[in-house]
Amino acid sequence: SQQGEEDPQALSIQEGENATMNCSYKTSINNLQWYRQNSGRGLVHLILIRSNEREKHSGRLRVTLDTSKKSSSLLITASRAADTASYFCATGVDSWGKLQFGAGTQVVVTP
Amino acid sequence: GAVVSQHPSWVICKSGTSVKIECRSLDFQATTMFWYRQFPKQSLMLMATSNEGSKATYEQGVEKDKFLINHASLTLSTLTVTSAHPEDSSFYICSATVRDVEQYFGPGTRLTVT
Repeated sequence: SQQGEEDPQALSIQEGENATMNCSYKTSINNLQWYRQNSGRGLVHLILIRSNEREKHSGRLRVTLDTSKKSSSLLITASRAADTASYFCATGVDSWGKLQFGAGTQVVVTP
Repeated sequence: GAVVSQHPSWVICKSGTSVKIECRSLDFQATTMFWYRQFPKQSLMLMATSNEGSKATYEQGVEKDKFLINHASLTLSTLTVTSAHPEDSSFYICSATVRDVEQYFGPGTRLTVT
């Protein structure tokens, strides 16, 4: 079953702009992860943030986590056409690494 | 980084036949492997959790007799779709993990049942 919801469902921006997407979840978590998926391909791991962390950066990516609101956000700065993909948040809910995925946000970056 | 492979990449089969999909961790030993299915423009739905040497744990609503999972070693898990029907057509993705760290995903297998 899916853990949470993401918004927006789809986002279209121009190169150079920032893209922000949000993820909400329902139960307690060990960690929250963000993945990217290009059409018809496998998932690429972007960033993992643990439940005791509030913010994490990786290159042009910035992730925040607010466990009191059960929400997370992913910010992509200075977007590029190559960032066009679907982005999924996934919550780690047990010690085995089981993930529950959100519905995803489809991002289109136009040159 | 760790690499997970899937074989085949895509398969077309006739209704009523069985199809086996392999998932391998190439450069690490995975304590756990997961199987997901994904319909077009939708998210990943977890089907089952597979631990080496033990029976798979299926998510609610997933038929264990239809989707047979075998985890023969720390580097190989297989998913067999038995008596496939057109509604089983989907993108099947496996992932492998070493305890509570990031999961490494395979490239996926696209199954089309005619």
